[in-house]
Amino acid sequence: DAGVIQSPRHEVTEMGQEVTLRCKPISGHNSLFWYRQTMMRGLELLIYFNNNVPIDDSGMPEDRFSAKMPNASFSTLKIQPSEPRDSAVYFCASSLNRQYEQYFGPGTRLTVT
Amino acid sequence: AQSVTQLGSHVSVSEGALVLLRCNYSSSVPPYLFWYVQYPNQGLQLLLKYTSAATLVKGINGFEAEFKKSETSFHLTKPSAHMSDAAEYFCAVSDRGNTPLVFGKGTRLSVIA
Repeated sequence: DAGVIQSPRHEVTEMGQEVTLRCKPISGHNSLFWYRQTMMRGLELLIYFNNNVPIDDSGMPEDRFSAKMPNASFSTLKIQPSEPRDSAVYFCASSLNRQYEQYFGPGTRLTVT
Repeated sequence: AQSVTQLGSHVSVSEGALVLLRCNYSSSVPPYLFWYVQYPNQGLQLLLKYTSAATLVKGINGFEAEFKKSETSFHLTKPSAHMSDAAEYFCAVSDRGNTPLVFGKGTRLSVIA
């Protein structure tokens, strides 16, 4: 299995620009999680989906952030407009029903200048 | 609400010495507990998990952890450190399957030759 795939691996953009991060979960997994990692706040949940339906988006910082999961094999996290404080590593993870562990992608390192 | 406390943001050991990384959790329900390892510029890799079976859990790369309910602890150990163990280690908790993980702040392990 290819594991969780994220793209791009690195993104550098200017403040005000739109940024779209992409995630392909492990085939057959039915839960998908977006986490953000920063030095100050550590790893924190942004949003998660179960069977393509958003379950909890309380971790999304503000309206500039949005996430979609149009089908079981693809999800996007969009930031519009981006700000320097959005600079972080964004991880996508997936899991399977009746399992408890989550499998993480390699992350996208976002830098907003 | 669940929480995880990892004592020591940085632990340094000599090669061949015992590794002990501490994790205490708070949960209102029987927890599921995990240790993940993160190598530089990579995603999180599952080391081991506790899901209410045996209290002593063995994981990959020679690591193990013991669930102690009375102490609300889930410390990670390895009898003999190897240079390749140098990484960031995260303890995490969840209250059931397919739900978000709550992570500790992480402990950076350095191994000295």
